[in-house]
Amino acid sequence: DTAVSQTPKYLVTQMGNDKSIKCEQNLGHDTMYWYKQDSKKFLKIMFSYNNKELIINETVPNRFSPKSPDKAHLNLHINSLELGDSAVYFCASSQEISPQNTEAFFGQGTRLTVV
Amino acid sequence: GQSLEQPSEVTAVEGAIVQINCTYQTSGFYGLSWYQQHDGGAPTFLSYNALDGLEETGRFSSFLSRSDSYGYLLLQELQMKDSASYFCAVRDYSSYKLIFGSGTRLLVRP
Repeated sequence: DTAVSQTPKYLVTQMGNDKSIKCEQNLGHDTMYWYKQDSKKFLKIMFSYNNKELIINETVPNRFSPKSPDKAHLNLHINSLELGDSAVYFCASSQEISPQNTEAFFGQGTRLTVV
Repeated sequence: GQSLEQPSEVTAVEGAIVQINCTYQTSGFYGLSWYQQHDGGAPTFLSYNALDGLEETGRFSSFLSRSDSYGYLLLQELQMKDSASYFCAVRDYSSYKLIFGSGTRLLVRP
């Protein structure tokens, strides 16, 4: 009964390839996020969707494209992978995107290694 | 913009008490949250303080002083399983982005 699940857990791929990471939440939340965590453990927001609509789009290379087919799913597609894309990518969800709501539920992460 | 400062590492002994500080600079402020992340795991929500003072949840407590733009997480009766990274976080006032501090790695020694 995983609340936020993302696949795959590990992804090793060569430079230049295109890959996707899938995320699903069964909590009935309206808001979903993608975060990138680098080797120094810094968690940086990349995108946020609220009810399938993109509401936060950080300064991220346009090789990264999120897609939300419905409010329970938020996938991340990455084109032309580069060495610097190696990181752990976390999907998360929260009930709503209100100022007072800071409780987000995270998936187990996808460790992406670009070789 | 928003920025949150935390010490990078803290070491403590099993059974002891440890305090992890967080100072923040924000253009607007609603409240301060804390998350725990074990190595290889996902961040998990611990607490949220919107008002000044101490909030206790079992062995963990969180404190906020809005006038000082400062908060801390207090862990009592430390256990080995408390070894993890701890992040403070705020919701950005205008964009509603959930922004995390750089994290504090807590090492609990026997």
